[in-house]
Amino acid sequence: AQSVSQHNHHVILSEAASLELGCNYSYGGTVNLFWYVQYPGQHLQLLLKYFSGDPLVKGIKGFEAEFIKSKFSFNLRKPSVQWSDTAEYFCAVNGNNAGNMLTFGGGTRLMVKP
Amino acid sequence: GAGVSQSPSNKVTEKGKDVELRCDPISGHTALYWYRQSLGQGLEFLIYFQGNSAPDKSGLPSDRFSAERTGGSVSTLTIQRTQQEDSAVYLCASSPSALATGNEQFFGPGTRLTVL
Repeated sequence: AQSVSQHNHHVILSEAASLELGCNYSYGGTVNLFWYVQYPGQHLQLLLKYFSGDPLVKGIKGFEAEFIKSKFSFNLRKPSVQWSDTAEYFCAVNGNNAGNMLTFGGGTRLMVKP
Repeated sequence: GAGVSQSPSNKVTEKGKDVELRCDPISGHTALYWYRQSLGQGLEFLIYFQGNSAPDKSGLPSDRFSAERTGGSVSTLTIQRTQQEDSAVYLCASSPSALATGNEQFFGPGTRLTVL
């Protein structure tokens, strides 16, 4: 069975600080990797995804993530956060299983102080 | 349609009652998923439908939970004899197909269920 771990449950940063959120997964085969974001009062939205090719993936709003196969990791980064990045971030994987259902990490709540 | 819609947005019920939660997927999307977001368990998969095929029910936590999808579009998640541990936000997502690897899933706003 696949599983996803997000080690940072709560992160507080000041504006312009750099961000890195950890995501590690457990799965023996080929995986597709996703980061979703949930802004306060809004529904889950896709930030970025990795299927194959360049392991450095760029998403919306200046976010990027790097797939490191040897470390089973897919960390999310942003060089300079803004107050509007305050949200909950979820890492998710599907392991090319039938149906492509997602397995989510526990989420990381990010608060950016103005 | 614009996106995935769900109704009701909030549902408060008494323990032991049955509830029905509705999901309208994005038009043309053949895959539909139900997830549950709760404080103790995070986001967990419940069930998915691909077109008119039999659903994958592997994530349903008990036989009190069931879902159907009529005409390959609208889906209803039913919880019978609700328990307090069923309190959660129930999320629906749709994607163009569950058969293609890694299709993005588009999520609805969820239904917040509170069982008293």
